[in-house]
Amino acid sequence: DIQMTQSPSSVSASVGDRVTITCQASQGISSWLAWYQQKPGKAPKLLIYAASSLQSGVPSRFSGSGSGTDFTLTISSLQPEDFATYYCQQANSFPLTFGGGTKVEIK
Amino acid sequence: QVQLQESGPGLVKPSGTLSLTCAVSGGSISSSNWWSWVRQPPGKGLEWIGEIYHSGSTNYNPSLKSRVTISVDKSKNQFSLKLSSVTAADTAVYYCARDVDREGFDPWGQGTLVTVSS
Repeated sequence: DIQMTQSPSSVSASVGDRVTITCQASQGISSWLAWYQQKPGKAPKLLIYAASSLQSGVPSRFSGSGSGTDFTLTISSLQPEDFATYYCQQANSFPLTFGGGTKVEIK
Repeated sequence: QVQLQESGPGLVKPSGTLSLTCAVSGGSISSSNWWSWVRQPPGKGLEWIGEIYHSGSTNYNPSLKSRVTISVDKSKNQFSLKLSSVTAADTAVYYCARDVDREGFDPWGQGTLVTVSS
């Protein structure tokens, strides 16, 4: 299985801050990576696919980068509605696997 | 737009079989997509269970493969999950989701909590 390691596991930030979350794959996955946002009691929401493509309807303050084994999700200016848990997911090979999550909390 | 809705018992006895259905609306299950099940134990992360194509082809997570069956009913535009020999470790919110060309899961159902307890 491909292991997906996210860091940090949690981050405290203020509205307007730039937040960066990293995801490392245990082996190369090309650009087969997606990012999700999950709020308490809700289903995950797709933000980024193919490592850097913004899903329709997602604000442009979200961006993704990387390929191979190292990936980044950046929120350029944190908004109140962005406080949530973020997950990466690899789609390169079976079984499809997720990172452990990064909780973005209010500072 | 496509919407997904899970349904099934919220409580299953240990050693029993968990059975859930995902109804697809706003689109056809026979479109060129894979349809997945993902679960999330309370307070924990996401685990992919498996997927099915409208042809009936499936892919399963090896960690669950011996206990999982995913099937599709094109006439009802829905797909289903069966997980046998459940234990408390199978207690989780179960989500169904569409996998669009390996470009991520979207949309997701709202999720349904299944508790394994006697």
